Amino acid sequence: DAKTTQPPSMDCAEGRAANLPCNHSTISGNEYVYWYRQIHSQGPQYIIHGLKNNETNEMASLIITEDRKSSTLILPHATLRDTAVYYCIVRVADAGNMLTFGGGTRLMVKP
Amino acid sequence: DGGITQSPKYLFRKEGQNVTLSCEQNLNHDAMYWYRQDPGQGLRLIYYSQIVNDFQKGDIAEGYSVSREKKESFPLTVTSAQKNPTAFYLCASRGQGPYQPQHFGDGTRLSIL
Repeated sequence: DAKTTQPPSMDCAEGRAANLPCNHSTISGNEYVYWYRQIHSQGPQYIIHGLKNNETNEMASLIITEDRKSSTLILPHATLRDTAVYYCIVRVADAGNMLTFGGGTRLMVKP
Repeated sequence: DGGITQSPKYLFRKEGQNVTLSCEQNLNHDAMYWYRQDPGQGLRLIYYSQIVNDFQKGDIAEGYSVSREKKESFPLTVTSAQKNPTAFYLCASRGQGPYQPQHFGDGTRLSIL
């Protein structure tokens, strides 16, 4: 799996958009970008994933650069409940593969 | 609602005792996984199963055992051979299709008395 780099922490004002960056400069052509988050003492929650096109669902948007070397997760209107550690994972599809969670970004949404 | 249920939420183990953590899913997923998370750390894979009656060891399988007798259930036993079992244990499942994400339960926190 390609290595990812994320800032260790970020702050965001409640109601504003939270933009979480992820660098994955060694990504290969068949690797997808997945985003998960983990709220304290809970299991990780899947957010979104994509290959090369931008993706949007009810939780967030995923913007992947044209060269696929970086991506940004966007929470359009952050709430206090979005305070969590956000993990960017790049991996090849394989039913047996484990997920490797790195350090992630600790997002603090402030009133 | 569809999802993954882990029980109990908190579990205490005495020295020399085996304990079993439950994981049940009603998502009709074939693949299931057990991870261990230590404070401030990422996830480490213990065991995974891609189909009923089959499972494979992950990176830290020593001191653990699993079974997969039913598609819905993937219990994890922490044996007395696991010398440092205090951790947060997470179960996940994954649907068919190579790019499907894993979905997680809310975890079981195991502590030693």
